[in-house]
Amino acid sequence: EADIYQTPRYLVIGTGKKITLECSQTMGHDKMYWYQQDPGMELHLIHYSYGVNSTEKGDLSSESTVSRIRTEHFPLTLESARPSHTSQYLCASSDAGLYEQYFGPGTRLTVT
Amino acid sequence: GDSVTQMEGPVTLSEEAFLTINCTYTATGYPSLFWYVQYPGEGLQLLLKATKADDKGSNKGFEATYRKETTSFHLEKGSVQVSDSAVYFCALAQGGQNFVFGPGTRLSVLP
Repeated sequence: EADIYQTPRYLVIGTGKKITLECSQTMGHDKMYWYQQDPGMELHLIHYSYGVNSTEKGDLSSESTVSRIRTEHFPLTLESARPSHTSQYLCASSDAGLYEQYFGPGTRLTVT
Repeated sequence: GDSVTQMEGPVTLSEEAFLTINCTYTATGYPSLFWYVQYPGEGLQLLLKATKADDKGSNKGFEATYRKETTSFHLEKGSVQVSDSAVYFCALAQGGQNFVFGPGTRLSVLP
């Protein structure tokens, strides 16, 4: 059973605030990902990591940043939240030798 | 680049109806193919997968066959239930590259 966690599940925050979305996995996976999911359901890859100290930007330009100091932890930070950041954010991980991605439950962010 | 196309939704069916959700792909190599399901308020879950041509993936009554000649991976279920209401994503991955997801198809099953 895949174990990947995201906190908080829901967040409502005002414009200009700094926020960090947490993602942790207990499977020892090397690869981790952040997706932004718009209301139309489509998934957009915004960041990924191949392992500790590795971070890459995804297909969709994002004002967020990520870090990977520990294998199990891949937080996403928005320095100054804006209403355009309102979305569902999904974290995922995969083993380097396998293709399946395992997803967390998501964080629904609303910026007012 | 690689891409995945799915039939547009929403798809609305009555309970016990037959389900088909079409998925076709474009890829330069020999990708692995996946179907993921997302229930309301949750993340995506792997439903089934196939790693080579003619492989059939199956799980929870759902099936999909990897058809290289038609570059397709259509999802089928013989008798849907209300609990199958969700969004379904077709996806491909190859060569250690990142996943390519389709746009998703929303399924609603009415009692």
